[in-house]
Amino acid sequence: GQNIDQPTEMTATEGAIVQINCTYQTSGFNGLFWYQQHAGEAPTFLSYNVLDGLEEKGRFSSFLSRSKGYSYLLLKELQMKDSASYLCAVSPNQAGTALIFGKGTTLSVSS
Amino acid sequence: DSGVTQTPKHLITATGQRVTLRCSPRSGDLSVYWYQQSLDQGLQFLIQYYNGEERAKGNILERFSAQQFPDLHSELNLSSLELGDSALYFCASSADRGRETQYFGPGTRLLVL
Repeated sequence: GQNIDQPTEMTATEGAIVQINCTYQTSGFNGLFWYQQHAGEAPTFLSYNVLDGLEEKGRFSSFLSRSKGYSYLLLKELQMKDSASYLCAVSPNQAGTALIFGKGTTLSVSS
Repeated sequence: DSGVTQTPKHLITATGQRVTLRCSPRSGDLSVYWYQQSLDQGLQFLIQYYNGEERAKGNILERFSAQQFPDLHSELNLSSLELGDSALYFCASSADRGRETQYFGPGTRLLVL
């Protein structure tokens, strides 16, 4: 079966660093995506990993280990506006097929 | 703004009714995906169209159907609505070239009373 696991909730304070983990078991693998979703709004694309290693984009970084079926999203210098749900999604097949989403991690940033 | 548009933004209807949700993909994107998001579930894939043809089906009920028109906009039809169909319905599009990032529309919030 297809399974993506991530913690349900996390809390952190402004200025801190937080790491959101994601583990996956899918029938195939063609890349892993992270999306940010504010309550009631559309998911917005944050990052994509298809090869092992770290991808850095400003305050956000994403890491992938294909052999371990593991990824994390690292958020640095947290701001209040980073309070949102973070969705891990896997593309199990070739490009142009539907994504399998985890249930999301709700991050609350406090001052 | 992702470039994907969806209408209507909100929809309130009664059980047993039928509704149509509309989506226009980003300019140049050939693939359209429909997802359902309810409170206790993550984003659930419903159906995908590519250049007018159905490409993949996910957890889509038989009461639901979709199509993609020659101008590439898509419609999701939900019939014989039940209370449990209340959810956010998102449309996403992708170009089908390279890594296939999907860009999401703002969603339609459906409430079935």
